[in-house]
Amino acid sequence: SQELEQSPQSLIVQEGKNLTINCTSSKTLYGLYWYKQKYGEGLIFLMMLQKGGEEKSHEKITAKLDEKKQQSSLHITASQPSHAGIYLCGADVAGNMLTFGGGTRLMVKP
Amino acid sequence: DTEVTQTPKHLVMGMTNKKSLKCEQHMGHRAMYWYKQKAKKPPELMFVYSYEKLSINESVPSRFSPECPNSSLLNLHLHALQPEDSALYLCASSQGGWEGLNEQYFGPGTRLTVT
Repeated sequence: SQELEQSPQSLIVQEGKNLTINCTSSKTLYGLYWYKQKYGEGLIFLMMLQKGGEEKSHEKITAKLDEKKQQSSLHITASQPSHAGIYLCGADVAGNMLTFGGGTRLMVKP
Repeated sequence: DTEVTQTPKHLVMGMTNKKSLKCEQHMGHRAMYWYKQKAKKPPELMFVYSYEKLSINESVPSRFSPECPNSSLLNLHLHALQPEDSALYLCASSQGGWEGLNEQYFGPGTRLTVT
């Protein structure tokens, strides 16, 4: 079965600092999704990556998928308290099935 | 409208109760999902409906019974639950059926507590 490992598990950064979250798969990724979740709430879709080497940005968040399509990174530039939450990577397993990584809990200190 | 709504937001029920969770989307999405999320864990897929037909049941106990009355609505009927079923239940929808995986849009969830 496809497994996704996220690192780090948790992260505390000072406001204004940059940070990177990684998502590594044991198998080739055919669709990689990044979501953000506020504690106890639903998931907010951030970005989807499908092609090796693909990079997408939205506001201060950039996500990349490596050429081998087994690792993705999420980079936040100049972090703000509004970036705090849980970041989840999800991968297409089969058809409409998503499997998620364990999540990265981000706290941004003002 | 890119919203998935879920009701109720919170639910407390006894082990002998029967209750239902409701999910609604008006984005014309043809796939709808139920996930279960325990504290500090990622969501785990329970059921997938594609074009109003149950297409995936991830070995969920029969005390959870999904229903898709039409393409916009998804219910989860609960009966004789156990305290370990307490969790956040998330509903999601996506555009495609089996044509390919599209991004899933999630509702805010129902926080269920079984006493």
